Amino acid sequence: KAGVTQTPRYLIKTRGQQVTLSCSPISGHRSVSWYQQTPGQGLQFLFEYFSETQRNKGNFPGRFSGRQFSNSRSEMNVSTLELGDSALYLCASSLAQTVNEQYFGPGTRLTVT
Amino acid sequence: DQQVKQNSPSLSVQEGRISILNCDYTNSMFDYFLWYKKYPAEGPTFLISISSIKDKNEDGRFTVFLNKSAKHLSLHIVPSQPGDSAVYFCAASPGGATNKLIFGTGTLLAVQP
Repeated sequence: KAGVTQTPRYLIKTRGQQVTLSCSPISGHRSVSWYQQTPGQGLQFLFEYFSETQRNKGNFPGRFSGRQFSNSRSEMNVSTLELGDSALYLCASSLAQTVNEQYFGPGTRLTVT
Repeated sequence: DQQVKQNSPSLSVQEGRISILNCDYTNSMFDYFLWYKKYPAEGPTFLISISSIKDKNEDGRFTVFLNKSAKHLSLHIVPSQPGDSAVYFCAASPGGATNKLIFGTGTLLAVQP
């Protein structure tokens, strides 16, 4: 069974631009969560989707948004990029809303210059 | 406000000895705790978890202890192996129908041969 895939794996953008990251969950999984990892901050929860509905949102500005499609694939978008948005963005998928059965993808490394 | 804290950014142990990784939390409403292991350029991998109604859970070389009165949990790895060298994150679940996890900042474990 294929794992969680994230594309692209690496991305370099300029301040002020916007970016879209993609996550394909494990086949059959309906829940997708997004996390941001920066040095010294650990992993911080961005948002969670289940059956195309956003169920939870973390404490991030409105520049961060996401969505989930009917095939459970998810995208997150960051508009008006800032230098501080440079981070590893991780996606996790789960069959349902059960925390101990989440599987993480390898992440997208975003660098904002 | 960091609700989950890992106060040791790094730990070095000899192969065959015990590794003890610690984690403190502030929110008494957390009902489930997990430990993840992360290698560079990979997503976190689930290791072991514990429900708030238990004080110990064991899985092979890994044991997690929970002290609810002290709001403290620890991960014991016995015996430690060089392949255990990675960053270890503890995480807590706020409970309810959600996959949201609140992570600590991680501890880099180095197991010396």
